[in-house]
Amino acid sequence: QKEVEQNSGPLSVPEGAIASLNCTYSDRVSQSFFWYRQYSGKSPELIMSIYSNGDKEDGRFTAQLNKASQYVSLLIRDSQPSDSATYLCAVNKNFGNEKLTFGTGTRLTIIP
Amino acid sequence: EAGVTQFPSHSVIEKGQTVTLRCDPISGHDNLYWYRRVMGKEIKFLLHFVKESKQDESGMPNNRFLAERTGGTYSTLKVQPAELEDSGVYFCASSQGTNQPQHFGDGTRLSIL
Repeated sequence: QKEVEQNSGPLSVPEGAIASLNCTYSDRVSQSFFWYRQYSGKSPELIMSIYSNGDKEDGRFTAQLNKASQYVSLLIRDSQPSDSATYLCAVNKNFGNEKLTFGTGTRLTIIP
Repeated sequence: EAGVTQFPSHSVIEKGQTVTLRCDPISGHDNLYWYRRVMGKEIKFLLHFVKESKQDESGMPNNRFLAERTGGTYSTLKVQPAELEDSGVYFCASSQGTNQPQHFGDGTRLSIL
């Protein structure tokens, strides 16, 4: 079992709809959770971080964390063609262990 | 503010040769990380510097890889001798402190022929 699992996609969503990206993790001691967006050939760009259970909203993005279910998700409202990218879920354990463990990423395509 | 910069953006070398990758973190970031993504796989951690000290090198695949961060500023990652399985994209990231988000560079795409 991989430590961080994501559906690889591709996930196609019509422009203006809500895109929902999911991620599960296996290590219960994970403390910090991140969503990165990566355009082809570019750096992973941090778009959301979440540390406690519940929802965190930032503009059109909402991250949701459920530690009991070991599940983190990213919702993108009013999807735009510029949101087409690969979305990477990453977790770390903190407590002095700073390394990020990544999923393989979900490729999202917004259809105009 | 300049982001994390990596050089070169691409490198193509033959098996057995040596290659050195460079990373300049965001100014003032004491924490510097190296990651690697091989074809079809997830990005994987290689090592973590705090200033010039190696905090965690548990992800380094073998002793053909040597990372340095003299003076606690930029870092280099040397692969000597390169093998075919070393091909991939090598990312560098930096963060301001512990438990802070990591910011990534564009990566170096390394191809071993």
